[in-house]
Amino acid sequence: QKEVEQNSGPLSVPEGAIASLNCTYSDRGSQSFFWYRQYSGKSPELIMFIYSNGDKEDGRFTAQLNKASQYVSLLIRDSQPSDSATYLCAAQRAQKLVFGQGTRLTINP
Amino acid sequence: SQTIHQWPATLVQPVGSPLSLECTVEGTSNPNLYWYRQAAGRGLQLLFYSVGIGQISSEVPQNLSASRPQDRQFILSSKKLLLSDSGFYLCAWRKVQATYGYTFGSGTRLTVV
Repeated sequence: QKEVEQNSGPLSVPEGAIASLNCTYSDRGSQSFFWYRQYSGKSPELIMFIYSNGDKEDGRFTAQLNKASQYVSLLIRDSQPSDSATYLCAAQRAQKLVFGQGTRLTINP
Repeated sequence: SQTIHQWPATLVQPVGSPLSLECTVEGTSNPNLYWYRQAAGRGLQLLFYSVGIGQISSEVPQNLSASRPQDRQFILSSKKLLLSDSGFYLCAWRKVQATYGYTFGSGTRLTVV
């Protein structure tokens, strides 16, 4: 079982709709969780992090964490074509950040 | 402000040749440093991390090694490259004890031919 799992997609969402990205993790010792966005050929950039159960909102982005279910999600409201990218979920355990394989998201105009 | 530099941006090397990739961080002291590799269409695989000068932890046994000769310098090396070493190599740093995420360099795309 992979430590962090994501649906690799591709996920296709119409412009203006809500995109929902999901991630599960296996290690209950994981402390914090991160969502990175990666455009093709570029390095990942941090969108959000969350370490408490519940929701965390930042602009059009909402991260959700459920430690009992070992589940993390990212919602993107009012999706824009510029949101088309690969989204990487990551879990931090001690000094290490472990990534899922990423979900490719395409926003259709 | 803190910045991370990684070079070169692209590299084409023959099989069996040596490798040296360098990463430096500015504007902070005693950062945690990381080397990741991303194969085409895949997620990020942690290769090495360092919590201090001369302290290297290896995550995946392979053809690569890492060194941290100075506080803000992290080097990834190989004595003899394999075809399977091709990929996108990313250096990252994090402030110790910080709860916010890791910041990545711009990456090196390595093609072994």
